[in-house]
Amino acid sequence: GGIITQTPKFLIGQEGQKLTLKCQQNFNHDTMYWYRQDSGKGLRLIYYSITENDLQKGDLSEGYDASREKKSSFSLTVTSAQKNEMAVFLCASSIAQGGGERLFFGHGTKLSVL
Amino acid sequence: GEQVEQRPPHLSVREGDSAVIICTYTDPNSYYFFWYKQEPGAGLQLLMKVFSSTEINEGQGFTVLLNKKDKQLSLNLTAAHPGDSAVYFCAVSLTSGGNYKPTFGKGTSLVVHP
Repeated sequence: GGIITQTPKFLIGQEGQKLTLKCQQNFNHDTMYWYRQDSGKGLRLIYYSITENDLQKGDLSEGYDASREKKSSFSLTVTSAQKNEMAVFLCASSIAQGGGERLFFGHGTKLSVL
Repeated sequence: GEQVEQRPPHLSVREGDSAVIICTYTDPNSYYFFWYKQEPGAGLQLLMKVFSSTEINEGQGFTVLLNKKDKQLSLNLTAAHPGDSAVYFCAVSLTSGGNYKPTFGKGTSLVVHP
């Protein structure tokens, strides 16, 4: 089996700071995703990538950048952290981007902004 | 685009009771349906993937019902135990192939009391 590793597990930042979250998968999956999870709002898609060097915007891409320089890794940058922001960022991957493919998730990065 | 409503947002039951979570979707072309379970501090794990063609799907300790006429998907934990305490998400996607990403419900936080 494979695994998705997200680093760091916890991230504390300052208002206005640029923050980078990393995700690695060893499934050899083509598609990777970044979701933001807020209490009561479920999962909202920020960015996804269907292959190396591909980037597609999700519903919540404003305020974020992403990078997929290798098939196995997908990073997300918060371009300017908002004061009192608190959320969990989940990385996921799937074999392909067909609608029938299940997603495999990492354990998340918990962000707190002071 | 697709809208998925999930209810209830919170559910508390006693051990041995049943617990029912319902998702209602809007797009009649929806074809794949997923239930995921998220335990504290972890990512989402797939419980079951359901195809549009099958109305009743049985898993270990739970049943998933698909009612296409009413565009409703339900998860029924038949005799809940404390290990079932988690957040449950439904997800819906269109037919395979193409640029179809799953749409998630907002989640149901289930607590099973001993």
